[in-house]
Amino acid sequence: AQSVTQPDIHITVSEGASLELRCNYSYGATPYLFWYVQSPGQGLQLLLKYFSGDTLVQGIKGFEAEFKRSQSSFNLRKPSVHWSDAAEYFCAVGPPSGGSYIPTFGRGTSLIVHP
Amino acid sequence: EAQVTQNPRYLITVTGKKLTVTCSQNMNHEYMSWYRQDPGLGLRQIYYSMNVEVTDKGDVPEGYKVSRKEKRNFPLILESPSPNQTSLYFCASSLGQGVAGELFFGEGSRLTVL
Repeated sequence: AQSVTQPDIHITVSEGASLELRCNYSYGATPYLFWYVQSPGQGLQLLLKYFSGDTLVQGIKGFEAEFKRSQSSFNLRKPSVHWSDAAEYFCAVGPPSGGSYIPTFGRGTSLIVHP
Repeated sequence: EAQVTQNPRYLITVTGKKLTVTCSQNMNHEYMSWYRQDPGLGLRQIYYSMNVEVTDKGDVPEGYKVSRKEKRNFPLILESPSPNQTSLYFCASSLGQGVAGELFFGEGSRLTVL
């Protein structure tokens, strides 16, 4: 069965600092990978996704993520954090092809941004 | 505008009083799903539907029912709510089976069961 681990429950950074949120997955093959963001009081919004090809994926709001097969990781990065990036971030994994599409979500990482 | 609409957004109810949380999407998506979000537990899938009249249990289906009579609607029914169902609920939709695409989420329904 597929699983997703986000090892950090909370991350605190200063505004302007760089950010990396960790995500590790467990799956028999290369899955589809996603990062979602949940701003306070809002639903989840897709930041970026990886299906195949270039392992460095660009997303919205200046985020990027790198797929590393050897480490089963899909870490989210941003070079300079803005106060508006404070939110909950979820990594998700889905089966690569065929059958049903049932994504599995990690437990989330809460990002706190200090001025 | 493409969207998933949930109602009500906030609800306080009492144990045992049946309630329904509605979910509607205007994107002609085949796949719809319900999640609950609890602190420290992330998102857990309650039920999902691959198409009209096709529904299946997710990870935490106990105490919930769903139906999919129309493609656009996927209501979540709590026949006899209990306090442990106090949670934040999200409906989501996607293109469909075999297509691993973006999930579109509603804004959430915060339910309190007293």
